Amino acid sequence: EIVLTQSPGTLSLSPGERATLSCRASQSVSSNYLAWYQQKPGQAPRLLIYGASSRATGIPDRFSGSGSGTDFTLTISRLEPEDFAVYYCQQYGSSPYTFGQGTKLEIK
Amino acid sequence: EVQLVESGGGLVKPGGSLRLSCAASGFTFSSYSMNWVRQAPGKGLEWVSSISSGSSYIYYADSVKGRFTISRDNAKNSLYLQMNSLRAEDTAVYYCARGYFDHDILTGYGNWGQGTLVTVSS
Repeated sequence: EIVLTQSPGTLSLSPGERATLSCRASQSVSSNYLAWYQQKPGQAPRLLIYGASSRATGIPDRFSGSGSGTDFTLTISRLEPEDFAVYYCQQYGSSPYTFGQGTKLEIK
Repeated sequence: EVQLVESGGGLVKPGGSLRLSCAASGFTFSSYSMNWVRQAPGKGLEWVSSISSGSSYIYYADSVKGRFTISRDNAKNSLYLQMNSLRAEDTAVYYCARGYFDHDILTGYGNWGQGTLVTVSS
């Protein structure tokens, strides 16, 4: 089983700042099948990034994904008020299709 | 518009059974892999099970293997999760989610339902 470890657990930033979230895998993720999701309280998750670096339909270009192998990053270039939420990474290259434990992005 | 509506959640005693359903609309259901993901209260996301578009490929998390069964009825545009031998640790909101790309089980989850709460307690 591939274990995904996200860091930091909580990130405190202000609107307009840049956010960098990390997701590290215990072994290489097949074909970079790595997704990022955003979840707000009381809502279902929303797909942001798939294939490590491709934005899903309708996702603003301030969201970008990068990385390969075992190290992946989600970057939000300039934080908007609506971006404060919990972010999860998921690998879907080999079953079980595990999620990271999440990073909470909070307003400073 | 893609819609996924889960139902069937509720309160069940340990050792009991429950069957969740997910009604899909707004897309060609038979062309997409489908998935169940759960979230315990105040906790993170946990992948539960996936099924390919034609039911040829089925996968489970170790935590539910042998107790849960995923299935689908493409004629009824519906996804199911039969849950047996339920435990307190199965308490969670259960989401159904559609694969982002059609005809591919190796894909992110592009559409999610609102979730249905399963509570396992005596």
